[in-house]
Amino acid sequence: QKEVEQDPGPLSVPEGAIVSLNCTYSNSAFQYFMWYRQYSRKGPELLMYTYSSGNKEDGRFTAQVDKSSKYISLFIRDSQPSDSATYLCAMSSRGSTLGRLYFGRGTQLTVWP
Amino acid sequence: DAGITQSPRHKVTETGTPVTLRCHQTENHRYMYWYRQDPGHGLRLIHYSYGVKDTDKGEVSDGYSVSRSKTEDFLLTLESATSSQTSVYFCAISESTAFNYGYTFGSGTRLTVV
Repeated sequence: QKEVEQDPGPLSVPEGAIVSLNCTYSNSAFQYFMWYRQYSRKGPELLMYTYSSGNKEDGRFTAQVDKSSKYISLFIRDSQPSDSATYLCAMSSRGSTLGRLYFGRGTQLTVWP
Repeated sequence: DAGITQSPRHKVTETGTPVTLRCHQTENHRYMYWYRQDPGHGLRLIHYSYGVKDTDKGEVSDGYSVSRSKTEDFLLTLESATSSQTSVYFCAISESTAFNYGYTFGSGTRLTVV
């Protein structure tokens, strides 16, 4: 079993839709949770960071962490064609070696006008 | 990707040949990482470095070696390339192991082994 599971999609939605992206994990020691966005032929870029449980909002993006269920989510409100990208969840623990991150496979999202 | 450059961007090589990929940063960050990205596997850590001449193995290090003789350069060498090493290779840098800093990734090197 992979430590981080993420449905690769693809996910296709119309402009303006609310998008929900999710990951599950098996390591209960994970407490640092991130979402990266990766445009085609580019490297990933950090989108959201959350420590432990709870919600964090940044503009149209909301990250949620439910540690009891080992489940994290990223919501995108009023989605735009420019949001079309692959979204990768990443996580780690306090004891993780030197900042090592564990990534999900990524979910490919297309927002059509 | 400001501050981090990977070279070459694309390479086709033959099975059994050695290949070196270069990651160059201008951010003076201490931590550098090499990942490979494959369909169905996502990003997997190959090697990482926590300073000049200080490197260690990640989860998929077999067949790879690294060197870091200067803060700004982190080299990944495929000692004898195999078809299973066909992949997109990403270098990442970080100024801290605190996760809120995140990684900054390069644009990747697309390697094909024929």
